[in-house]
Amino acid sequence: NAGVTQTPKFQVLKTGQSMTLQCAQDMNHEYMSWYRQDPGMGLRLIHYSVGAGITDQGEVPNGYNVSRSTTEDFPLRLLSAAPSQTSVYFCASRSPGGSGANVLTFGAGSRLTVL
Amino acid sequence: LAKTTQPISMDSYEGQEVNITCSHNNIATNDYITWYQQFPSQGPRFIIQGYKTKVTNEVASLFIPADRKSSTLSLPRVSLSDTAVYYCLVVAYTSGTYKYIFGTGTRLKVLA
Repeated sequence: NAGVTQTPKFQVLKTGQSMTLQCAQDMNHEYMSWYRQDPGMGLRLIHYSVGAGITDQGEVPNGYNVSRSTTEDFPLRLLSAAPSQTSVYFCASRSPGGSGANVLTFGAGSRLTVL
Repeated sequence: LAKTTQPISMDSYEGQEVNITCSHNNIATNDYITWYQQFPSQGPRFIIQGYKTKVTNEVASLFIPADRKSSTLSLPRVSLSDTAVYYCLVVAYTSGTYKYIFGTGTRLKVLA
């Protein structure tokens, strides 16, 4: 049971380039989400999905796109990278309802630098 | 949605009990309180959750007063390996979905 897997762990981009951060989970979780973590800012929600084919915006969605074609995968796309998107990105998933709905399982993170 | 406020940092010595308090004045009736721990270069890890009164597990205790406007994470007899950032998180169920509102976290440093 691998949990939540993120790739790549590190990436350097030039301004204007595009890329996709991958996130996969093997726990059959319906809910998945992307956060970015910046110094002094805690974690801020970018986008989330409550199931295949359903996505919604979080606090800081601008500059990012997501799609959810399968339960397992939730990729995050940067269409035209900007230096302000330099950050550490975390993917998280969550068990179905009940007390398990309060527990997020996080990946190890992807550190992105935009030059 | 309830925002959380925590101290930015705390220092403690090995063997001491550490209490980290989080303020969440706008918490709603159905919201839960959870705490996460994050080590450098890792994702946050769930520690404990609660709704009211006191909850204890093998790692920590969580105290929530009757008005639920704050909560306190208690770590008994900390060790050097407890040095981490601790996040208080309000889980809100609104508009048919759960929302997870992270604060800025408390950086705990345990000294020998």
